[in-house]
Amino acid sequence: QKEVEQDPGPLSVPEGAIVSLNCTYSNSAFQYFMWYRQYSRKGPELLMYTYSSGNKEDGRFTAQVDKSSKYISLFIRDSQPSDSATYLCAMSARTGRRALTFGSGTRLQVQP
Amino acid sequence: GAVVSQHPSWVICKSGTSVKIECRSLDFQATTMFWYRQFPKQSLMLMATSNEGSKATYEQGVEKDKFLINHASLTLSTLTVTSAHPEDSSFYICSARGLAANTGELFFGEGSRLTVL
Repeated sequence: QKEVEQDPGPLSVPEGAIVSLNCTYSNSAFQYFMWYRQYSRKGPELLMYTYSSGNKEDGRFTAQVDKSSKYISLFIRDSQPSDSATYLCAMSARTGRRALTFGSGTRLQVQP
Repeated sequence: GAVVSQHPSWVICKSGTSVKIECRSLDFQATTMFWYRQFPKQSLMLMATSNEGSKATYEQGVEKDKFLINHASLTLSTLTVTSAHPEDSSFYICSARGLAANTGELFFGEGSRLTVL
C-alpha cells in the first residue's frame, strides 16, 4: 500500500463547475499538507499549504484536512480552462528530513 | 512565493556522457535542497536530500556514484548524472527549503528534462 493514495483521473468538468480533488494517506506522522499544480513539462507550483487539521481558503481554492480520517481535499470553485493541469497532493512529517511524499497526481481537464 | 531556478531546462546528450543540472534559490538561502525524478505520467520520486556543506542523503535504490550531488553554498545545489544511459532519461526537479522555513513548505524549480540518446 502506498503512503499517499490519489486517483489519477483524468477528471473532466465543464467550465464553472466545482472541482473536488482528494488524497488519503496512511502515515499518522504527516503534519504538513500541500497541494501543487503542475502544467505539462513544468515543475510543480505550490497552490495551498495547511498545517495539521482544518480548512484554508485562498481565492477560488479551498484546502481541507481531516486528520482523523487521514483524508485531504482541494476544492476549486468556478473552474476555468486555465485550471487544466495535474494536481499533486504532498505531505510531510514535522520532524526529521521533512521530505515530501507525493500522491500520484490527478489530471484535471476543464472544458470551455 | 520564493523562486527556485533550474538550469538547463532541457538537455540532450549521448550515452556515456555526464550532465550537470544546477538548482539555485534566487531570493532566499536554502539550507536543504531535494532532488526528485519524475517519469512521464508518474509522480515525483525523491532521489536525495542535500544539506549545505555536508554529504547528500540518498534514497534507497538511488546510486550515489551515478547521481552526484553537491550543495556547496546556501543558494546552489548541483546534480551530475554521470555516464548517462537512455534509462536515465527523465524529468529532474529540485526543491528548496529556506533557513527560516520551520514549516513544510517547499518551492520547486521548473525542472530539467534529460534525454539520453
